[in-house]
Parts: sequence; C-alpha cells; structure tokens
Amino acid sequence: EIVLTQSPGTLSLSPGERATLSCRASQSVSSNYLAWYRQKPGQAPRLLIYGGSNRATGIPDRFSGSGSGTDFTLTISRLEPEDFVVYYCQHYGSSPLYNFGQGTQLEIK
Amino acid sequence: QLLESGGGLVQSGGSLRLSCTASRFTFRTYAMAWVRQAPGRGLEWVSSISGRDGSTYYADSVRGRFTISRDDSKNTLYLQMNILRAEDTATYFCAVLVITVTARYFDPWGRGTLVTVSS
Repeated sequence: EIVLTQSPGTLSLSPGERATLSCRASQSVSSNYLAWYRQKPGQAPRLLIYGGSNRATGIPDRFSGSGSGTDFTLTISRLEPEDFVVYYCQHYGSSPLYNFGQGTQLEIK
Repeated sequence: QLLESGGGLVQSGGSLRLSCTASRFTFRTYAMAWVRQAPGRGLEWVSSISGRDGSTYYADSVRGRFTISRDDSKNTLYLQMNILRAEDTATYFCAVLVITVTARYFDPWGRGTLVTVSS
C-alpha cells in the first residue's frame, strides 16, 4: 500500500509570501498520476493540478506543481487571502486505487 | 454540475442509497466516483465505476457492503450502502473521474451529502 504523507500539517504564512507544500509517497510513483486539490470550509474539493504539473482550468499561474519519484511539491508563489485553506495531494495507484494525503492547512500568520 | 442526494441519519446496520445527478456534460462517457470525508478528517476514495463497461472498484473498507451503479439514461450515479457502521459517517461527494493516458484525477465534484450512522 502506498501512503501519501503531506507536510507540514499546518503552514503559517502571510499574504504575498510564497508557500511550499510537500507530498511524499512511501514508494516511487508516477508524477502522471499525482494531483492536488484545495478545499475551502464547507465546500467540495477543487482540482488545482493534475499530471503532477498541469494546472486545471481556471487555476491562476501562481499555482505550480513539481516533483518526481517520492517527493512532490505544490508551490503558491504569492499568497492571496483566499488561499488560506486546506490542500490535498492524491495519487492513482494499486492499493488503494486512489489515495489522498492527510492534508496541509494553510493559515494566516 | 453534480448534485448529490439521499444522505441522512441511519442506525448502525442499516442501509441508505445515495444518488448523484449530473448535468451539462455527456455523463455516459465518463467514469464516476464517490469520495467521502469524515467530520474534521481528510478525503477517502470509496468507489468508482467506468463509463465504458461499467467496471466497478471499491476501497477495502466498503467492499462487500457498498455497491456503486449508474443509470446513463437518467444521468445518475448511485451508491447503495448496506450494513452501515459508525465509521461510515461522512460527507459523501460524487465526482467525475477523469481518465486519460497520462493522468487520473477527480474533476469536478458535487457539493456532497452527509451520512450519519448512529450506534
């Protein structure tokens, strides 16, 4: 079973700063099947990045995804107030078929 | 657009059927999925069904108790949940499962329906 571990659990930053969120897999995985989502309180998750580095429709270019093997990163270059929510990474693999990280809470410092 | 319904309060051991009605896209051509989120917790994939041949897949935690199905004539996805347990308490989201040669991801998602299992 592949486990996705996101770090940090909570990240405290200020608007305008750069955020770097990590997603580490317990074994090497394909970046093709790595996606990132964000979830505002009381809402459904929304796709940000798919295929490791492709921005979803409507997602601004201050969001970027990178990584390979076991280490993947979501970077938000300049934080806006609406970015202070929870972020999840997700992978398609074998067991379980679709796996999510436990999430990173981005909070205002 | 995806709209879930059918959630509610049920006793442990009981059953519930969730529905997800789709609009504004060609439902029958897409794989679909259910993802749940326990209160204050993270996301957990529950089940998915292909758009081509109706192949179904389940998380170990629900296999044998939950059944996913679809009615393409009604643009509707279902999740029949039997032998419910307290740990099944969660908001259940339906989502389009996008499958390409180089990616698999969930987009878009419905707003979710809350299932509460009392023990």
